[in-house]
Amino acid sequence: RKEVEQDPGPFNVPEGATVAFNCTYSNSASQSFFWYRQDCRKEPKLLMSVYSSGNEDGRFTAQLNRASQYISLLIRDSKLSDSATYLCVVEGGVNKFYFGSGTKLNVKP
Amino acid sequence: DTGVSQNPRHKITKRGQNVTFRCDPISEHNRLYWYRQTLGQGPEFLTYFQNEAQLEKSRLLSDRFSAERPKGSFSTLEIQRTEQGDSAMYLCASSPTSWEQFFGPGTRLTVL
Repeated sequence: RKEVEQDPGPFNVPEGATVAFNCTYSNSASQSFFWYRQDCRKEPKLLMSVYSSGNEDGRFTAQLNRASQYISLLIRDSKLSDSATYLCVVEGGVNKFYFGSGTKLNVKP
Repeated sequence: DTGVSQNPRHKITKRGQNVTFRCDPISEHNRLYWYRQTLGQGPEFLTYFQNEAQLEKSRLLSDRFSAERPKGSFSTLEIQRTEQGDSAMYLCASSPTSWEQFFGPGTRLTVL
């Protein structure tokens, strides 16, 4: 079983739509969770950390469900510039990070 | 540019040859990571340094792979006797803490 699993998509949504991605992880002892964004042929960049209490940054909201071992990312009012691959990241040991395969988002005009 | 830099950006080699990649982290970042990414997949953890000490190493890192970080500054990743399955993007990331990682642009390796 993979450490981190994501739906590869693609999610094709119109501008202004709300879209949500989920990601499941296998190690119940994991303590740190993140969402990274990767544009085509570019390096990944941190989008946001995921806290137990959930966190919001503008149009982006991340949630953690420890009981079911999944994290989610909600994007409201999608913009064309949100088109990218969103990578779920879970810390699987001290300074050892597992990336999901990514969920591709296409926002269309 | 004070970001993470990697050299070369592209490397084409023949099967069986050795290759070496370099990563220059952001100054004063004591944590450095190497990842490998293939098309359609997320980055796969290879190894982690804190300063000059290699503290974690994935079982993906076979005996043909070796990484160093002398003096806790730049790092090198060497692949000996390359195989076609080694073709991938090799990403380096540095971090000042245990969470946000700053990635370099990567070195794309093609093994013919």
